[in-house]
Amino acid sequence: AQRVTQPEKLLSVFKGAPVELKCNYSYSGSPELFWYVQYSRQRLQLLLRHISRESIKGFTADLNKGETSFHLKKPFAQEEDSAMYYCASTAGGTSYGKLTFGQGTILTVHP
Amino acid sequence: GAVVSQHPSWVICKSGTSVKIECRSLDFQATTMFWYRQFPKQSLMLMATSNEGSKATYEQGVEKDKFLINHASLTLSTLTVTSAHPEDSSFYICSARRQGDYGYTFGSGTRLTVV
Repeated sequence: AQRVTQPEKLLSVFKGAPVELKCNYSYSGSPELFWYVQYSRQRLQLLLRHISRESIKGFTADLNKGETSFHLKKPFAQEEDSAMYYCASTAGGTSYGKLTFGQGTILTVHP
Repeated sequence: GAVVSQHPSWVICKSGTSVKIECRSLDFQATTMFWYRQFPKQSLMLMATSNEGSKATYEQGVEKDKFLINHASLTLSTLTVTSAHPEDSSFYICSARRQGDYGYTFGSGTRLTVV
């Protein structure tokens, strides 16, 4: 069974500092990897997906198959980045696969 | 963009009663919808996959007779919590995936409290 691990439940940084939210997956095939963000009292929103290789709100994430990781990075954190971040994966391909979520990381950016 | 509407946003019910939660894709057709449960400060746990026109596929450990899922049309899936008990109190979230798109769109969730 696929598994997604986010080792940090809480992460605190100061405004302007770099931030990295870690994510590791267990699936050995070709999974689809996503990062979702949940701001306070709002629904989950797609932040990034590895297929598109785009940068959203200054965040980037690179899929490292050797390390089975998909860490989320931002060079200069902003206070409005404070939120819950979930890494998620499916079994890969373009099938309507089930999303498996990591435990989530609460990011707090202090002024 | 793809929008998923979920209602109600919160509901309080008495123990033993049933509660229905609706999930609608507003601007796209969703042949597959997913139902999740989220406990406080925990991750989302997939309960079942809802397939239009066929029976839902439940994850291991999820009681299909307690959590009835119906996906009668390409834009609507419903989750009915039958004979609710306090331990069913949780946050329930639906999501849908638009054909050809690689992302999942989530509803705003339903906070169920069983008293």
